[in-house]
Amino acid sequence: QSALTQPPSASGSPGQSVTISCTGTSSDVGGYKYVSWYQQHPGKAPKLMIYEVSKRPSGVPDRFSGSKSGNTASLTVSGLQAEDEADYYCSSYAGSNNLKVFGGGTKLTVL
Amino acid sequence: QVQLVESGGGLVKPGGSLRLSCVASGFTFSDYYMSWIRQVPGKGLECVSFITTSGTNINYVDSVKGRFTISRDNAKNSLFLEMNSLRAEDTAVYYCARDQIHFDYWGRGTLVTVSS
Repeated sequence: QSALTQPPSASGSPGQSVTISCTGTSSDVGGYKYVSWYQQHPGKAPKLMIYEVSKRPSGVPDRFSGSKSGNTASLTVSGLQAEDEADYYCSSYAGSNNLKVFGGGTKLTVL
Repeated sequence: QVQLVESGGGLVKPGGSLRLSCVASGFTFSDYYMSWIRQVPGKGLECVSFITTSGTNINYVDSVKGRFTISRDNAKNSLFLEMNSLRAEDTAVYYCARDQIHFDYWGRGTLVTVSS
């Protein structure tokens, strides 16, 4: 399985919106509704932010939203806040071996 | 509250072995699939292994097949990863995670360093 493709970096000023893309293939992102997004602060474990393309776990602010079109999924962070500065990883179900595939990660900087 | 606590990491020489453990609490462990995910320091995430509730279905990433063995003890709410023939490229933080196709809970990780 190949890793999903994410931009290495993204940035925005406080209050702005930023969108991070995650491109896969019809065998992963495009083939299933099981795309998830994780936030990771330095030295911490990843935290689930979005699952099944656009669902938010309890406690995740509604500033975080997800979508998908074809083989590309997107995470949008609206109303950027300083605490949103972190690495973000996408992940997708990729078939019957049950091993999910991850993107390479995007470092989000709040200017 | 849900907690996953890994242990067993450390420094090991190439060719050596380690056994990682993950103790779960705050949920009915036997009802959930589990996975091990690793992260090379400063790099991205990689699914290493997956196990179903009863352990009847197990999968590994190609790079660890034949060297790593995942298992679980539902009576002790524990997940394990037996790692043999370790290589420098296995150096990473290893996380256990509850697997619902998405990973909704993660442990804090345990660092495995393979170096002579």
